[in-house]
Amino acid sequence: GAVVSQHPSRVICKSGTSVKIECRSLDFQATTMFWYRQFPKQSLMLMATSNEGSKATYEQGVEKDKFLINHASLTLSTLTVTSAHPEDSSFYICSARWTGGRSSYNEQFFGPGTRLTVL
Amino acid sequence: GENVEQHPSTLSVQEGDSAVIKCTYSDSASNYFPWYKQELGKRPQLIIDIRSNVGEKKDQRIAVTLNKTAKHFSLHITETQPEDSAVYFCAAIPSGNTGKLIFGQGTTLQVKP
Repeated sequence: GAVVSQHPSRVICKSGTSVKIECRSLDFQATTMFWYRQFPKQSLMLMATSNEGSKATYEQGVEKDKFLINHASLTLSTLTVTSAHPEDSSFYICSARWTGGRSSYNEQFFGPGTRLTVL
Repeated sequence: GENVEQHPSTLSVQEGDSAVIKCTYSDSASNYFPWYKQELGKRPQLIIDIRSNVGEKKDQRIAVTLNKTAKHFSLHITETQPEDSAVYFCAAIPSGNTGKLIFGQGTTLQVKP
């Protein structure tokens, strides 16, 4: 099956620093990846849609200058949280859209998530 | 934009009983409705999905029904087991072919042995 990995799985950083999270599709090409944020006991909130070779599309209320997304290849998208603050502490999850062979199916495969703690 | 409402927020059942979780959506053009199970600190796992041209789908103890007219879909788990305890999320993909998922608020299911 399709596998998506994320790195790192857990990161603790000081307030004001930047953190980069990688999302990789290991056995398929993903022209579209998605970044979600999940606070404790809450649902997954879509932050942005990452498109290979073009600019990301951000959801309303998400600061594009704070959450930098780069989708440089068909298997890698990165999310950089710039000048992180304690309120950015959350569980960040990426997903990759499977379109090969069943393009109308829209199935997504999720990464294992990254737990970010900003001190 | 699409809005997905999920109920109940918590559900407690005895082992062996059935559990039903309901979701409604707002975008009548939405065409794909997956259900995910998420254990604490883990990624969401797809457990079943349904497309808009199908009214019902079943996979062993899990079934999903879709009522396009009423814009709601439901997850049914029969013969619940303690290992079914988790948070369940419904989702929908709205029109526009962006593929982005809009999630419901989640339901914490507790199956008591």
